[in-house]
Amino acid sequence: AQSVTQPDIHITVSEGASLELRCNYSYGATPYLFWYVQSPGQGLQLLLKYFSGDTLVQGIKGFEAEFKRSQSSFNLRKPSVHWSDAAEYFCAVGAWETSYDKVIFGPGTSLSVIP
Amino acid sequence: DTGVSQDPRHKITKRGQNVTFRCDPISEHNRLYWYRQTLGQGPEFLTYFQNEAQLEKSRLLSDRFSAERPKGSFSTLEIQRTEQGDSAMYLCASSSKTGTKSNEQFFGPGTRLTVL
Repeated sequence: AQSVTQPDIHITVSEGASLELRCNYSYGATPYLFWYVQSPGQGLQLLLKYFSGDTLVQGIKGFEAEFKRSQSSFNLRKPSVHWSDAAEYFCAVGAWETSYDKVIFGPGTSLSVIP
Repeated sequence: DTGVSQDPRHKITKRGQNVTFRCDPISEHNRLYWYRQTLGQGPEFLTYFQNEAQLEKSRLLSDRFSAERPKGSFSTLEIQRTEQGDSAMYLCASSSKTGTKSNEQFFGPGTRLTVL
């Protein structure tokens, strides 16, 4: 069964600083991986996804993530954080089950941005 | 707006009452999912529909919960005899599969349920 850990419950960064959010997954086969962002009171918006191919994935809003199979990680990065990036970030791992697309979400990392 | 919509956005009810939520997926999506999200946690899978067929249910979905998607378009999630532990955000998502893998799920804004 899949599982996802996000070691950092909460992170605070200064505006303009770089950001890295950690994600580790457990899955027996090649996973597909997602990062979603959730602003207060809102649904989840997909930032980026990895299915196969290039292990460095570019997403929206200047985010990127790198899939490292040897470390079972899929960390999210952004070179320069904007105040509007303050939100909850969820890493998710999916698998093709026999009947449906099963996606397991991590517990999330809350990002605060200091002006 | 062609995204996933959910109604109502907020629901406050008293313990023991029944509640029903509605989800309208993206029109061309044949797959629909319900999740529950409690404070400080990621979404947890509840159930999945492909067209009108409910193909998977989580053990989280007790007998008090029932979901339908009668015509393969919108879906409803009903909770009977609500309990305080049912207080959560209920998220709906949809996706499509057209013969190849396509697992990106598009989420609605959620329905926040508060049981007093």
